[in-house]
Amino acid sequence: IAGITQAPTSQILAAGRRMTLRCTQDMRHNAMYWYRQDLGLGLRLIHYSNTAGTTGKGEVPDGYSVSRANTDDFPLTLASAVPSQTSVYFCASSPGQGLGYTFGSGTRLTVV
Amino acid sequence: AQSVTQLGSHVSVSEGALVLLRCNYSSSVPPYLFWYVQYPNQGLQLLLKYTSAATLVKGINGFEAEFKKSETSFHLTKPSAHMSDAAEYFCAVGGGSYDKVIFGPGTSLSVIP
Repeated sequence: IAGITQAPTSQILAAGRRMTLRCTQDMRHNAMYWYRQDLGLGLRLIHYSNTAGTTGKGEVPDGYSVSRANTDDFPLTLASAVPSQTSVYFCASSPGQGLGYTFGSGTRLTVV
Repeated sequence: AQSVTQLGSHVSVSEGALVLLRCNYSSSVPPYLFWYVQYPNQGLQLLLKYTSAATLVKGINGFEAEFKKSETSFHLTKPSAHMSDAAEYFCAVGGGSYDKVIFGPGTSLSVIP
């Protein structure tokens, strides 16, 4: 089934640990995005990638990094997790401007 | 700069009643506008989108939305609510930098039997 796969589904992480959230799409979409969703704050863009080999910062990039080595994969790394990074993280992709996003099912991350 | 506001963080309707979820946007460029639905513990799913064609847009599950430029609005409606419509609904605006979309805070829809 075409779509986006995110892993893990959920994770409890000790503060200070490094963590990579995985995102893979099989739709050959050029653009990919990482959002975090927090109660009362909606979805906020962390990082994005317009095409393989390029990335950009979103609204809340601090503490996160991404890479886009190929079209399909867009991992999000927390170098040293802090409790404020407790959130639900969604990966999304888009084939082009104005065409809408396809979202993954999310990763629920708790930093303790 | 672009922004989205959704009036009402929570809306309750009776089953069979009209659903109206409000969305107003701000955009310095001709906008792309979207409505997404999120069911519990799931990702967001595209309901419908406006991309400068017809101002009345029909989406999935019987939803539709009308783009009104003069009011900078893109309200979502459904004539008759169903129990399965209970979910979180997000309005979103794009059209600025390459397809980066700004989401509104969401409206939680409850459907009362």
